[in-house]
Amino acid sequence: AQKVTQAQTEISVVEKEDVTLDCVYETRDTTYYLFWYKQPPSGELVFLIRRNSFDEQNEISGRYSWNFQKSTSSFNFTITASQVVDSAVYFCALSEYSWGKLQFGAGTQVVVTP
Amino acid sequence: GAGVSQSPRYKVAKRGQDVALRCDPISGHVSLFWYQQALGQGPEFLTYFQNEAQLDKSGLPSDRFFAERPEGSVSTLKIQRTQQEDSAVYLCASSPLEWWENPQETQYFGPGTRLLVL
Repeated sequence: AQKVTQAQTEISVVEKEDVTLDCVYETRDTTYYLFWYKQPPSGELVFLIRRNSFDEQNEISGRYSWNFQKSTSSFNFTITASQVVDSAVYFCALSEYSWGKLQFGAGTQVVVTP
Repeated sequence: GAGVSQSPRYKVAKRGQDVALRCDPISGHVSLFWYQQALGQGPEFLTYFQNEAQLDKSGLPSDRFFAERPEGSVSTLKIQRTQQEDSAVYLCASSPLEWWENPQETQYFGPGTRLLVL
């Protein structure tokens, strides 16, 4: 069963618009970790952010922010004032304490046009 | 410092050929992972090494897939008698600590090897 669902296949925006990527996860563990990775056309997965299940505080880091809500099992990610360099595939991933493997969603392609 | 490197970056193989994919993790990293990424999908776990010990190979799709990390650093993923369904990007990742005890640790990924089986 898919444990991480990214319902948006592709999002296209014009530069400077905000982009919000949805991620819904499923786990029975009380301790787990959530990640966002970016995969540009070069292919290398780049770590962006990590959140643990005990910390629901939402934060902003530069143009990135995230909204973690355990009540809805969601871990959404927002890019503010998007730039062309943000064009990439973004993956949400889950690491469960009991299972110890990083499980990825199918990814969301973000296309930012000038 | 140097990141995770993989070679070759691209590999074209004829069906039935054996291939070997190499991963050089970040120096000193204890944990090493292999993933398979099909076109348009997220990476899928294949196998995990803690130093030279292969602790989990539950994701390997068949006995044609074999991975090793004999000295606890460089790792090789070998695919015997390649099939067309093996065509994918193979990603390697490393992490500084033992993954089982530290599932919160970030994994650092290499650029991948794109394998095309004709």
